[in-house]
Parts: sequence; C-alpha cells; structure tokens
Amino acid sequence: EPEVTQTPSHQVTQMGQEVILRCVPISNHLYFYWYRQILGQKVEFLVSFYNNEISEKSEIFDDQFSVERPDGSNFTLKIRSTKLEDSAMYFCASRLKGYTGELFFGEGSRLTVL
Amino acid sequence: GIQVEQSPPDLILQEGANSTLRCNFSDSVNNLQWFHQNPWGQLINLFYIPSGTKQNGRLSATTVATERYSLLYISSSQTTDSGVYFCAGPTQGGSEKLVFGKGTKLTVNP
Repeated sequence: EPEVTQTPSHQVTQMGQEVILRCVPISNHLYFYWYRQILGQKVEFLVSFYNNEISEKSEIFDDQFSVERPDGSNFTLKIRSTKLEDSAMYFCASRLKGYTGELFFGEGSRLTVL
Repeated sequence: GIQVEQSPPDLILQEGANSTLRCNFSDSVNNLQWFHQNPWGQLINLFYIPSGTKQNGRLSATTVATERYSLLYISSSQTTDSGVYFCAGPTQGGSEKLVFGKGTKLTVNP
C-alpha cells in the first residue's frame, strides 16, 4: 500500500542551526502538508502546498520556516534557525484531492533542539 | 474556526473489554478522520468517514454529520490498542487544514 515516508525519524540539533526535514508523499497525490505536534499537545497545521506554491499557512509558520518541492517526489520543510520551542514531532501528509480528500500522514520526524 | 471535542480524555481498560470514543464538532463536517497515535508517536490512519459507518476488524466508526458527532468503537481490546486516538475535521471557510481534537488516551492492561 502506498505510504508517505519521512526522514530522518529523529534529529537532534543545536539552537540556531538549520534543519531540513524530508518527505516523499504518495506518488499520485497533489496536495501536501506539514503538521506538528509538541509533546503532549494537539496536532497542529503548519502549511499546505499545491501546484508548487503555498496555498495556506498558519500563524506558526513564520519567516523561519519554508517549504519546497525540489523535484517530482520530495517535499521538504526547512527551519532556518531553530529555537528550543521548535522541538516537536513534525508530520508530513498528502492527499489526492484538496478540502475533502482523505489525508495520509507519514510516521513523523522527531526534532529535538538543545 | 471549528471546535473539536473528544471524550473521554483518558480511558483505562482490561484486555478484552469494549469501548466507545466520541468526537463532537461545533459545526457540520464533510471530511472526518480518526487516527491512532502509537507509543512511538506515529499517526496511523484508522478511518476516513464523513458520514455513515465503516468497519475494519475490531474497530468500527460511525459519523452522524447532521448531529455533528462521530463515534469510534473498539471491541475486544488488546494491549496493542493502547495509545492516543484523535479525530480531525476540516475547519470552515474554504480552508484545507484539518483541526484535531485533544485526543483520548487509551490504556489497555493485560
């Protein structure tokens, strides 16, 4: 069964360092997303991406964050200068249709900022 | 935006017991999903169920969109069912994002 894959599964970084989280969405999906979950809290939406541009972003997704689809398969989330409060599980998701389609999540990338 | 309330927040069961988890929405939804977050933090899709009833093994889900709630049934629970169960639905106003509830933490004891 097709699945969303994410790398790395766990990354530890120093505050102020740049981090890139990678995702390979399901191959025929057109809509891509990043969500995050701070330990013990709800899963929160960060950003949606369609047709090679951001279609929506939350207030969390400030100038320190960026997304890119550098080729036909990868979808990346970059955090330019990590802060302690960026420590969280980051989930990539994709779906075939926007708005009403089923959303498929990857297994997550756990980011720890020291 | 839409509010998603889940109950109960915590649930402890003995292996073999049945349970019902509830998800209430503040507005009507046309896209509702249930997820299981295992102890390693991975989010597993359980059901995509905008309306009606679906079953998958020991799990089933029912959504009554007009009444703005969904139920997740777990029968003959096993220790591997432990984890947090989330429901999520779309916010309103043409947004694509899913809004998650706070989850129900299920512990199944042997």
